[in-house]
Amino acid sequence: DSGVTQTPKHLITATGQRVTLRCSPRSGDLSVYWYQQSLDQGLQFLIQYYNGEERAKGNILERFSAQQFPDLHSELNLSSLELGDSALYFCASSRISRGAGNTIYFGEGSWLTVV
Amino acid sequence: DAKTTQPPSMDCAEGRAANLPCNHSTISGNEYVYWYRQIHSQGPQYIIHGLKNNETNEMASLIITEDRKSSTLILPHATLRDTAVYYCIVRVAQGGSEKLVFGKGMKLTVNP
Repeated sequence: DSGVTQTPKHLITATGQRVTLRCSPRSGDLSVYWYQQSLDQGLQFLIQYYNGEERAKGNILERFSAQQFPDLHSELNLSSLELGDSALYFCASSRISRGAGNTIYFGEGSWLTVV
Repeated sequence: DAKTTQPPSMDCAEGRAANLPCNHSTISGNEYVYWYRQIHSQGPQYIIHGLKNNETNEMASLIITEDRKSSTLILPHATLRDTAVYYCIVRVAQGGSEKLVFGKGMKLTVNP
């Protein structure tokens, strides 16, 4: 158990809909990362937040957005869903944003199926 | 834009040491090498990381060459539960962030 909690574990929704994935980082971790893993793309970095502020952005679509709240939990919002958005979405956390020994720990992921 | 190269797959006999190679010839002096693994579709699991010196923890050992252009992850006594995709990653520093950029990884199959 990494200490990173993600909900829901599984989600099935229809095209065009909107969903919210939730992540609670490990206790004391200020940084949250979101990754997407689909069959043909591997693990893709989406976005990172540090203590409530966006710190780095990767291959995140405009239909997707994220935020980190004052209690440090994070939400990834996916809207106007398409079949190709079906994937595993991982949240990860770390103590700080960068630096030696800044190990990143991953949650177990949220399976999103768009039908 | 992964900065590492790994063979796509490797087999290992149960109980034997598994030596997983990784090339990172363009690594910068202050960049760390990290190893993660992913079992089925579980979340990536941190294994070990290092800069210059060899490192060992309860899971594995990491041997980094003197020129830092390659490294080897050693699982001293592989078990069936070590079957997974192993990722060798060089941390990418960008602005105030160090994210993990995953490549395709290497599938290790431990056979009975």
